[in-house]
Amino acid sequence: NAGVTQTPKFRVLKTGQSMTLLCAQDMNHEYMYWYRQDPGMGLRLIHYSVGEGTTAKGEVPDGYNVSRLKKQNFLLGLESAAPSQTSVYFCASSYSATGLAKNIQYFGAGTRLSVL
Amino acid sequence: SQQGEEDPQALSIQEGENATMNCSYKTSINNLQWYRQNSGRGLVHLILIRSNEREKHSGRLRVTLDTSKKSSSLLITASRAADTASYFCATWPATASKLTFGTGTRLQVTL
Repeated sequence: NAGVTQTPKFRVLKTGQSMTLLCAQDMNHEYMYWYRQDPGMGLRLIHYSVGEGTTAKGEVPDGYNVSRLKKQNFLLGLESAAPSQTSVYFCASSYSATGLAKNIQYFGAGTRLSVL
Repeated sequence: SQQGEEDPQALSIQEGENATMNCSYKTSINNLQWYRQNSGRGLVHLILIRSNEREKHSGRLRVTLDTSKKSSSLLITASRAADTASYFCATWPATASKLTFGTGTRLQVTL
């Protein structure tokens, strides 16, 4: 049981290049999330999805796009990378997003992205 | 946006000692969760406490919640070197549908 898998683990981009980060979960979770983690700022929510075919903006969505074509996959795209997008990106999933215990989130190992 | 704020930002203790970290938040919540992050890894869920609970235990972990003060504490008893990590509180606001994470406490446990 792999849980949440993120690919790639590391990537270096030049300013203006594009890329897609892939997140896959095998727990049949409805909800999936993309966060970025920067020093001293904790985790900030970029986009999230409440089910297949749906996406919504989080706290810091600018410069990113997402898609959830299949329940198990959540893709994060950077169309034109900027140095400010240098960060560690984490994907997470949860069974539900209610206030009950089932909103515990399970995280991937992260993708370290540098934009030069 | 609402955010949990952990205190202290960093904590260094010796193995066998207890470690206490605190979290304060701003608005009413449904639940509060604590996560651990080892260096270079993703977050791992430790414990969840609901808004109608005051204390919860899990192994060497003890979490308290004071909704009147909008604060929570995480106590790790008899710490081990393997407890070295960053610890984050995350709040689930009563009027929102997303977890909000704090900036974390970095715990260093030395032999």
